[in-house]
Amino acid sequence: EPEVTQTPSHQVTQMGQEVILRCVPISNHLYFYWYRQILGQKVEFLVSFYNNEISEKSEIFDDQFSVERPDGSNFTLKIRSTKLEDSAMYFCASSAQTGPGNTIYFGEGSWLTVV
Amino acid sequence: GDSVTQMEGPVTLSEEAFLTINCTYTATGYPSLFWYVQYPGEGLQLLLKATKADDKGSNKGFEATYRKETTSFHLEKGSVQVSDSAVYFCALSDRLGGANSKLTFGKGITLSVRP
Repeated sequence: EPEVTQTPSHQVTQMGQEVILRCVPISNHLYFYWYRQILGQKVEFLVSFYNNEISEKSEIFDDQFSVERPDGSNFTLKIRSTKLEDSAMYFCASSAQTGPGNTIYFGEGSWLTVV
Repeated sequence: GDSVTQMEGPVTLSEEAFLTINCTYTATGYPSLFWYVQYPGEGLQLLLKATKADDKGSNKGFEATYRKETTSFHLEKGSVQVSDSAVYFCALSDRLGGANSKLTFGKGITLSVRP
């Protein structure tokens, strides 16, 4: 069964460093997302992406964050100048269509630890 | 704004016990409702969904009924197995939230099933 794959599964970085989290969405999907879950808290929406541009973003997704689809298969989340509070599990997701009721498929997550 | 509230966990049950995990929601529109499951070491997987009132989603012996009058989507299973041990997330996608399938999640609840 097709799946969303994410790398790395776990990354430790020093505060102030830049991090790039990578994702390969399901191949025929057109809509891409990043979510995050800080330990012990809810899974939170960060951003959605379609047709090579951001279609929606949350208030969490400020100038520190950026997303990119550098080629036909990868979808990346860049976090500049990381802070301790950026430590979280980051989930990439994709869907074939949009609209409520549509199924979103998630990857296994990338656990980011900022020290 | 939209929100999802799940009962506090964790939950520990013996094999073959009956499971109920409560979920209630608040939404400005007419949401679709989902249960996602995260098995140890894996990503979020869609367990079941319902897109309109009185719909029942079901999968792998789990069921949940969309109750508009009580704004609830409780997850049930008649006889749990050790392999059901996982974290369960209730989520919604609001029709009035634009064209995107953005999900709003509950906090998740850990289920442990003892042999």
